[in-house]
Amino acid sequence: DAGVIQSPRHEVTEMGQEVTLRCKPISGHNSLFWYRQTMMRGLELLIYFNNNVPIDDSGMPEDRFSAKMPNASFSTLKIQPSEPRDSAVYFCASQSMIAGFKTQYFGPGTRLLVL
Amino acid sequence: AQTVTQSQPEMSVQEAETVTLSCTYDTSESDYYLFWYKQPPSRQMILVIRQEAYKQQNATENRFSVNFQKAAKSFSLKISDSQLGDAAMYFCAYGGATNKLIFGTGTLLAVQP
Repeated sequence: DAGVIQSPRHEVTEMGQEVTLRCKPISGHNSLFWYRQTMMRGLELLIYFNNNVPIDDSGMPEDRFSAKMPNASFSTLKIQPSEPRDSAVYFCASQSMIAGFKTQYFGPGTRLLVL
Repeated sequence: AQTVTQSQPEMSVQEAETVTLSCTYDTSESDYYLFWYKQPPSRQMILVIRQEAYKQQNATENRFSVNFQKAAKSFSLKISDSQLGDAAMYFCAYGGATNKLIFGTGTLLAVQP
């Protein structure tokens, strides 16, 4: 199993630019989570999906952030326009909904730097 | 609301020795999971061990074991025979009915050669 795949691994962009982060969950997992990690705020859950449907987006900081999951094997997190305070490590995690296997597995993360 | 508390911001252990990282949580749920994740300098979040609340037996994964005290809402991680590669940030996490993970603030573990 390849695990959760995220791309790009590193992204450097200028303020005002659009940023798109991508995630491929583990095959067979039907829940997907987007997190953001910063020194100041630690790990924050931004949004999560069950069976491709957004369930809780209360952690999305503002309208500049949007997330989609068009199918079971792909999700995107978009920031438009980006700001320096968006600089962080963004993680995607996936989880099986099968009872007894509710464990989140994380991707390697995307390090985003907004100049 | 559920909370997770890690009261040790930093810990240090000598190579080959044993160290215990503390975690307490608060919940009114009866069915939940508890996890320890390791985050080395690469920033990858690696699952170390997990415990189902309904199981009385403490989970063990090689050199890693937990001491799960449900009544006390305590979930400590013991690392035996510490190795240099164990140096990392360790996060305790709670997973309940909502499927959302609640993380503690982390404990930074240093391993001294």
